[in-house]
Amino acid sequence: AQSVTQLGSHVSVSEGALVLLRCNYSSSVPPYLFWYVQYPNQGLQLLLKYTTGATLVKGINGFEAEFKKSETSFHLTKPSAHMSDAAEYFCAVSDSSGGGADGLTFGKGTHLIIQP
Amino acid sequence: DAGVIQSPRHEVTEMGQEVTLRCKPISGHDYLFWYRQTMMRGLELLIYFNNNVPIDDSGMPEDRFSAKMPNASFSTLKIQPSEPRDSAVYFCASRPLASSTDTQYFGPGTRLTVL
Repeated sequence: AQSVTQLGSHVSVSEGALVLLRCNYSSSVPPYLFWYVQYPNQGLQLLLKYTTGATLVKGINGFEAEFKKSETSFHLTKPSAHMSDAAEYFCAVSDSSGGGADGLTFGKGTHLIIQP
Repeated sequence: DAGVIQSPRHEVTEMGQEVTLRCKPISGHDYLFWYRQTMMRGLELLIYFNNNVPIDDSGMPEDRFSAKMPNASFSTLKIQPSEPRDSAVYFCASRPLASSTDTQYFGPGTRLTVL
């Protein structure tokens, strides 16, 4: 079975500061990894994903994440936070053995707060 | 493309009533997923379909929940009878078959409140 752990249900950073949201996963097979963002009263939007190849993945809005197999981690970063980044962020894993057809297993989410 | 469409966006009902949530996936997408989001349990996969056929319903909490996909452009999630603990946001998502790594596209969700 797969699982995802997101450290910190709430993370607060100052505008312009580094954003670091942590995600660790467990999977018995090579995983596909995703970060989604959810703005208030909206659905989830994909930020970025890792499937194979380069372990540093760049996404939208200046976010990036690095897949570290040895640490079973997929942390999300952004060099400089903007007020518009305030949202809920979800890390998710998909089982690659089924061709990625299965549904996603999500972490509990991290609420990102940006201080002016 | 209009994206994944869900209706209604908000539903308030009383315990014991039947509730039907609706989803229209993105045209051409072969997979459709139903998720539930609660504060306690986060986002959980309830069921998913491939080409209108249910593939895995192991996440459906109990027999009160049922889902159908009569055609490629429409799916329903029904709760009968509803209970207060069913209060949650229910999301529908769709995904194409073209690649196993393709993204799931989420609808805006239906916020269900059972009184």
